[in-house]
Amino acid sequence: QKEVEQDPGPLSVPEGAIVSLNCTYSNSAFQYFMWYRQYSRKGPELLMYTYSSGNKEDGRFTAQVDKSSKYISLFIRDSQPSDSATYLCAMSAGTGGGNKLTFGTGTQLKVEL
Amino acid sequence: EAGVAQSPRYKIIEKRQSVAFWCNPISGHATLYWYQQILGQGPKLLIQFQNNGVVDDSQLPKDRFSAERLKGVDSTLKIQPAKLEDSAVYLCASTLDRINEKLFFGSGTQLSVL
Repeated sequence: QKEVEQDPGPLSVPEGAIVSLNCTYSNSAFQYFMWYRQYSRKGPELLMYTYSSGNKEDGRFTAQVDKSSKYISLFIRDSQPSDSATYLCAMSAGTGGGNKLTFGTGTQLKVEL
Repeated sequence: EAGVAQSPRYKIIEKRQSVAFWCNPISGHATLYWYQQILGQGPKLLIQFQNNGVVDDSQLPKDRFSAERLKGVDSTLKIQPAKLEDSAVYLCASTLDRINEKLFFGSGTQLSVL
Protein backbone atom coordinates (compact mmCIF):
# COMPACT_ATOMS: atom_id res chain seq x y z
CA GLN A 1 0.00 0.00 0.00
CA LYS A 2 1.33 3.43 -0.94
CA GLU A 3 1.70 6.03 1.80
CA VAL A 4 -0.36 8.50 -0.21
CA GLU A 5 -3.16 7.49 -2.58
CA GLN A 6 -4.61 9.83 -5.19
CA ASP A 7 -6.98 9.10 -8.05
CA PRO A 8 -5.04 9.88 -11.27
CA GLY A 9 -8.14 10.86 -13.24
CA PRO A 10 -8.36 12.34 -15.78
CA LEU A 11 -11.18 14.50 -14.49
CA SER A 12 -13.07 16.60 -17.01
CA VAL A 13 -15.52 19.29 -15.88
CA PRO A 14 -17.36 22.20 -17.55
CA GLU A 15 -16.25 25.76 -16.88
CA GLY A 16 -17.82 27.11 -13.69
CA ALA A 17 -18.14 23.71 -12.00
CA ILE A 18 -17.00 22.98 -8.47
CA VAL A 19 -14.11 20.54 -8.49
CA SER A 20 -13.26 18.18 -5.66
CA LEU A 21 -9.83 16.54 -5.52
CA ASN A 22 -8.88 14.09 -2.80
CA CYS A 23 -6.03 12.14 -1.25
CA THR A 24 -5.86 9.51 1.45
CA TYR A 25 -2.79 8.60 3.44
CA SER A 26 -1.65 5.96 5.86
CA ASN A 27 1.16 7.64 7.84
CA SER A 28 -0.30 9.20 10.99
CA ALA A 29 2.93 11.20 11.47
CA PHE A 30 2.04 13.54 8.60
CA GLN A 31 1.27 17.02 9.93
CA TYR A 32 1.82 19.32 6.96
CA PHE A 33 -0.41 19.02 3.93
CA MET A 34 0.08 20.73 0.63
CA TRP A 35 -1.49 20.94 -2.78
CA TYR A 36 0.70 21.64 -5.77
CA ARG A 37 -0.45 22.53 -9.25
CA GLN A 38 1.66 21.33 -12.16
CA TYR A 39 1.15 22.58 -15.69
CA SER A 40 2.47 20.52 -18.58
CA ARG A 41 6.27 20.67 -18.87
CA LYS A 42 6.56 22.79 -15.73
CA GLY A 43 7.59 22.12 -12.15
CA PRO A 44 4.99 21.87 -9.36
CA GLU A 45 3.80 25.18 -7.93
CA LEU A 46 2.62 25.42 -4.32
CA LEU A 47 -1.10 26.20 -4.22
CA MET A 48 -2.26 25.53 -0.67
CA TYR A 49 -0.45 24.77 2.57
CA THR A 50 -2.15 23.53 5.72
CA TYR A 51 -0.89 22.47 9.11
CA SER A 52 -2.85 19.75 10.95
CA SER A 53 -6.64 19.43 10.64
CA GLY A 54 -9.09 22.06 9.48
CA ASN A 55 -9.97 24.21 6.51
CA LYS A 56 -8.06 26.90 4.68
CA GLU A 57 -9.49 29.15 2.00
CA ASP A 58 -7.64 31.22 -0.60
CA GLY A 59 -9.78 32.81 -3.28
CA ARG A 60 -11.50 30.07 -5.27
CA PHE A 61 -9.52 27.33 -3.52
CA THR A 62 -10.35 25.58 -0.25
CA ALA A 63 -8.18 22.92 1.36
CA GLN A 64 -9.59 20.57 3.97
CA VAL A 65 -7.71 18.16 6.21
CA ASP A 66 -9.34 15.44 8.29
CA LYS A 67 -6.54 13.76 10.21
CA SER A 68 -8.94 11.37 11.97
CA SER A 69 -9.89 9.90 8.60
CA LYS A 70 -6.46 10.48 7.03
CA TYR A 71 -8.18 12.29 4.19
CA ILE A 72 -7.47 15.62 2.53
CA SER A 73 -9.39 17.53 -0.12
CA LEU A 74 -8.97 20.48 -2.43
CA PHE A 75 -12.08 22.27 -3.71
CA ILE A 76 -11.98 24.63 -6.66
CA ARG A 77 -14.98 26.90 -7.08
CA ASP A 78 -16.00 28.50 -10.38
CA SER A 79 -13.42 26.44 -12.24
CA GLN A 80 -11.70 28.08 -15.22
CA PRO A 81 -9.92 26.62 -18.26
CA SER A 82 -6.70 28.02 -16.76
CA ASP A 83 -7.18 25.57 -13.87
CA SER A 84 -6.50 22.70 -16.28
CA ALA A 85 -3.40 21.05 -14.84
CA THR A 86 -2.28 18.13 -12.72
CA TYR A 87 -2.91 18.57 -9.00
CA LEU A 88 -0.53 16.84 -6.62
CA CYS A 89 -1.13 16.39 -2.93
CA ALA A 90 1.97 16.28 -0.75
CA MET A 91 2.57 15.61 2.91
CA SER A 92 5.31 15.90 5.46
CA ALA A 93 5.88 14.80 9.00
CA GLY A 94 7.39 18.21 9.68
CA THR A 95 10.61 19.33 11.27
CA GLY A 96 11.42 15.93 12.59
CA GLY A 97 11.22 14.53 9.07
CA GLY A 98 13.43 17.26 7.65
CA ASN A 99 10.44 18.39 5.59
CA LYS A 100 10.74 15.44 3.24
CA LEU A 101 7.62 15.54 1.11
CA THR A 102 5.69 12.45 0.07
CA PHE A 103 3.61 13.13 -3.04
CA GLY A 104 0.51 11.53 -4.45
CA THR A 105 0.52 10.48 -8.10
CA GLY A 106 -1.44 13.56 -9.14
CA THR A 107 -4.95 14.06 -10.58
CA GLN A 108 -5.15 15.41 -14.10
CA LEU A 109 -7.91 18.04 -14.38
CA LYS A 110 -9.36 19.49 -17.56
CA VAL A 111 -11.82 22.35 -17.43
CA GLU A 112 -13.77 22.57 -20.67
CA LEU A 113 -15.28 25.74 -22.17
CA GLU B 1 12.48 37.25 -7.34
CA ALA B 2 14.14 34.82 -9.74
CA GLY B 3 12.95 31.23 -9.50
CA VAL B 4 14.85 27.96 -9.41
CA ALA B 5 16.91 27.61 -12.58
CA GLN B 6 17.62 24.24 -14.16
CA SER B 7 19.47 23.15 -17.28
CA PRO B 8 19.28 21.56 -19.72
CA ARG B 9 15.51 21.42 -20.31
CA TYR B 10 15.74 18.22 -22.33
CA LYS B 11 18.33 15.50 -22.72
CA ILE B 12 18.32 12.36 -24.84
CA ILE B 13 21.03 9.76 -24.30
CA GLU B 14 21.61 6.09 -24.91
CA LYS B 15 21.71 3.58 -22.09
CA ARG B 16 25.08 3.23 -20.37
CA GLN B 17 25.99 6.83 -21.22
CA SER B 18 26.44 9.46 -18.52
CA VAL B 19 24.50 12.69 -18.03
CA ALA B 20 24.59 15.67 -15.68
CA PHE B 21 21.94 18.16 -14.63
CA TRP B 22 22.49 21.58 -13.11
CA CYS B 23 20.38 23.57 -10.64
CA ASN B 24 20.66 27.07 -9.24
CA PRO B 25 18.23 27.60 -6.34
CA ILE B 26 16.53 30.81 -5.29
CA SER B 27 19.04 33.21 -3.77
CA GLY B 28 19.39 32.71 -0.03
CA HIS B 29 17.74 29.29 0.03
CA ALA B 30 19.85 27.00 2.18
CA THR B 31 18.02 23.76 1.44
CA LEU B 32 18.07 22.16 -1.99
CA TYR B 33 16.34 19.00 -3.20
CA TRP B 34 16.53 16.78 -6.24
CA TYR B 35 13.34 14.90 -7.12
CA GLN B 36 12.70 12.30 -9.80
CA GLN B 37 9.27 12.34 -11.47
CA ILE B 38 8.46 9.35 -13.66
CA LEU B 39 5.59 9.85 -16.10
CA GLY B 40 2.24 9.45 -14.35
CA GLN B 41 3.77 9.50 -10.88
CA GLY B 42 4.40 12.08 -8.20
CA PRO B 43 7.90 13.40 -7.56
CA LYS B 44 10.15 11.16 -5.47
CA LEU B 45 12.93 12.65 -3.36
CA LEU B 46 16.42 11.60 -4.41
CA ILE B 47 18.59 13.80 -2.22
CA GLN B 48 18.33 16.77 0.13
CA PHE B 49 21.14 19.25 0.88
CA GLN B 50 21.37 21.72 3.72
CA ASN B 51 23.96 24.25 2.51
CA ASN B 52 26.72 21.97 1.18
CA GLY B 53 25.94 18.98 3.40
CA VAL B 54 23.73 15.99 2.60
CA VAL B 55 20.70 15.66 4.90
CA ASP B 56 18.94 12.72 3.23
CA ASP B 57 20.10 10.53 0.35
CA SER B 58 18.33 7.36 1.41
CA GLN B 59 16.48 6.99 -1.91
CA LEU B 60 19.41 7.89 -4.17
CA PRO B 61 20.66 4.87 -6.19
CA LYS B 62 24.25 5.47 -5.19
CA ASP B 63 25.69 2.87 -7.55
CA ARG B 64 24.84 5.15 -10.47
CA PHE B 65 23.63 8.50 -9.15
CA SER B 66 25.75 11.17 -7.50
CA ALA B 67 25.08 14.75 -6.50
CA GLU B 68 27.08 17.61 -5.10
CA ARG B 69 26.57 21.13 -3.86
CA LEU B 70 30.14 22.16 -3.25
CA LYS B 71 29.75 25.84 -2.35
CA GLY B 72 26.28 25.56 -0.85
CA VAL B 73 24.64 27.33 -3.78
CA ASP B 74 24.20 25.55 -7.11
CA SER B 75 24.11 21.79 -7.46
CA THR B 76 24.81 19.06 -10.00
CA LEU B 77 23.13 15.66 -10.26
CA LYS B 78 24.91 13.00 -12.31
CA ILE B 79 23.85 9.60 -13.61
CA GLN B 80 26.54 7.16 -14.74
CA PRO B 81 25.77 4.79 -16.38
CA ALA B 82 22.16 5.54 -17.30
CA LYS B 83 19.50 2.84 -17.53
CA LEU B 84 16.24 2.84 -19.46
CA GLU B 85 14.27 3.19 -16.21
CA ASP B 86 16.04 6.49 -15.46
CA SER B 87 13.84 8.16 -18.10
CA ALA B 88 12.01 10.81 -16.07
CA VAL B 89 11.85 14.50 -15.26
CA TYR B 90 14.47 15.56 -12.74
CA LEU B 91 13.20 18.41 -10.61
CA CYS B 92 15.25 20.67 -8.41
CA ALA B 93 13.57 22.49 -5.53
CA SER B 94 14.72 24.85 -2.83
CA THR B 95 13.46 26.32 0.40
CA LEU B 96 14.76 28.81 2.93
CA ASP B 97 15.77 26.20 5.45
CA ARG B 98 15.04 22.62 6.37
CA ILE B 99 12.19 23.43 8.73
CA ASN B 100 10.33 25.39 6.06
CA GLU B 101 7.80 23.17 4.29
CA LYS B 102 7.22 25.46 1.31
CA LEU B 103 9.25 24.19 -1.60
CA PHE B 104 9.84 26.10 -4.82
CA PHE B 105 10.44 23.93 -7.87
CA GLY B 106 12.28 24.53 -11.11
CA SER B 107 10.82 23.46 -14.47
CA GLY B 108 12.92 20.32 -14.49
CA THR B 109 15.10 18.44 -16.95
CA GLN B 110 13.32 15.82 -19.04
CA LEU B 111 15.63 12.85 -19.58
CA SER B 112 14.99 10.19 -22.20
CA VAL B 113 17.24 7.12 -22.11
CA LEU B 114 17.07 5.08 -25.33
